[in-house]
Amino acid sequence: EAGVAQSPRYKIIEKRQSVAFWCNPISGHATLYWYQQILGQGPKLLIQFQNNGVVDDSQLPKDRFSAERLKGVDSTLKIQPAKLEDSAVYLCASSLVTSGRQNEQFFGPGTRLTVL
Amino acid sequence: AQTVTQSQPEMSVQEAETVTLSCTYDTSESDYYLFWYKQPPSRQMILVIRQEAYKQQNATENRFSVNFQKAAKSFSLKISDSQLGDAAMYFCAYRKIFGNEKLTFGTGTRLTIIP
Repeated sequence: EAGVAQSPRYKIIEKRQSVAFWCNPISGHATLYWYQQILGQGPKLLIQFQNNGVVDDSQLPKDRFSAERLKGVDSTLKIQPAKLEDSAVYLCASSLVTSGRQNEQFFGPGTRLTVL
Repeated sequence: AQTVTQSQPEMSVQEAETVTLSCTYDTSESDYYLFWYKQPPSRQMILVIRQEAYKQQNATENRFSVNFQKAAKSFSLKISDSQLGDAAMYFCAYRKIFGNEKLTFGTGTRLTIIP
């Protein structure tokens, strides 16, 4: 079974530029998560999708971050414009269901973003 | 709100020895999941072990076992016969079982294996 795919693996941009990350979840997984992991911290949820609808985006800085999940499969996370404090690893995860005892989240390899 | 605390930023252990990583958490829920994830330099989060709160028996997975103390809200990970491949960041995480709840992570413990 293929795992969660993410691209790019690394990205370096100047502040105020825009950037986009892509995630392809495990086939058949209804729920997709984007986490932000700042150096020295644990991952923090940015947004959670159930199919192509947003379940939780309470921690997403909506003035600069946006995300979409077209057709309930792939997802894109965008930052525009980027700030220095956005430097982090962006992890995508997916799970078969949203809640309950079968909700194990599988993580992708992440994208390391450096904002100069 | 749920919180997860890992008070050991770094730990080291001799190869083949045993090490215990600590985690405490806070919640008002009666049933929930607790996890230990491993994050090697490749950055991919790998699930090591899972404990469901209503189960009194401590979970074990090969060389990995937990000491779950529900009343004390403590959830430690014991790694026996440590191997070089165990070197990584280890994160403790919490999740409610029902409801659209995210994983809440601690700040992690960096484990170094000394050959």
